Amino acid sequence: EAGVVQSPRYKIIEKKQPVAFWCNPISGHNTLYWYRQNLGQGPELLIRYENEEAVDDSQLPKDRFSAERLKGVDSTLKIQPAELGDSAVYLCASSLTGKQTQYFGPGTRLLVL
Amino acid sequence: QQQVKQSPQSLIVQKGGISIINCAYENTAFDYFPWYQQFPGKGPALLIAIRPDVSEKKEGRFTISFNKSAKQFSLHIMDSQPGDSATYFCAARNTGTASKLTFGTGTRLQVTL
Repeated sequence: EAGVVQSPRYKIIEKKQPVAFWCNPISGHNTLYWYRQNLGQGPELLIRYENEEAVDDSQLPKDRFSAERLKGVDSTLKIQPAELGDSAVYLCASSLTGKQTQYFGPGTRLLVL
Repeated sequence: QQQVKQSPQSLIVQKGGISIINCAYENTAFDYFPWYQQFPGKGPALLIAIRPDVSEKKEGRFTISFNKSAKQFSLHIMDSQPGDSATYFCAARNTGTASKLTFGTGTRLQVTL
């Protein structure tokens, strides 16, 4: 069974540029999460989807971050414009609805110069 | 507000030794406590998890000890191997409210020969 797929794996951009990350969850997993992991820290939740509905986006900086999960499968996280402090690893995870185990993708490492 | 405190930040253990990582939490509503293992360039992967109705859970060489009254839990890795070298994160969640998974800051474990 394929795991959570994320792309790109690495991205280097200049500040004020836009950037987008893509996630394809495990087949059948209705719950999808986006996390941000700063260097030397644990992951912090940005947004959680149940199918196509964002049920928890309280930690998403809405002035520059946006996310969508059209058709309740793949998801895209966007930052516009990017700031230096956005440099981090952006992780996508998925789980079966109601189950506790979250399966993480390998992440996208973003560097903003 | 950091709700899950993890220590030590880093740990060096000889092959065959016991690795011990500790976590403390503040929110008494937490009722699910997983440990995740993360290798460089990979996303976190669930290692073992415990509910507060038991004081210990063992899976192979990995054991979680849970002290509800002290609001502490720990991961013990018996017979540590070089392949166990990774970063370990404890986490906690209130499953009743489907709240977010709150991670500790991580412990970088190095197992030497």
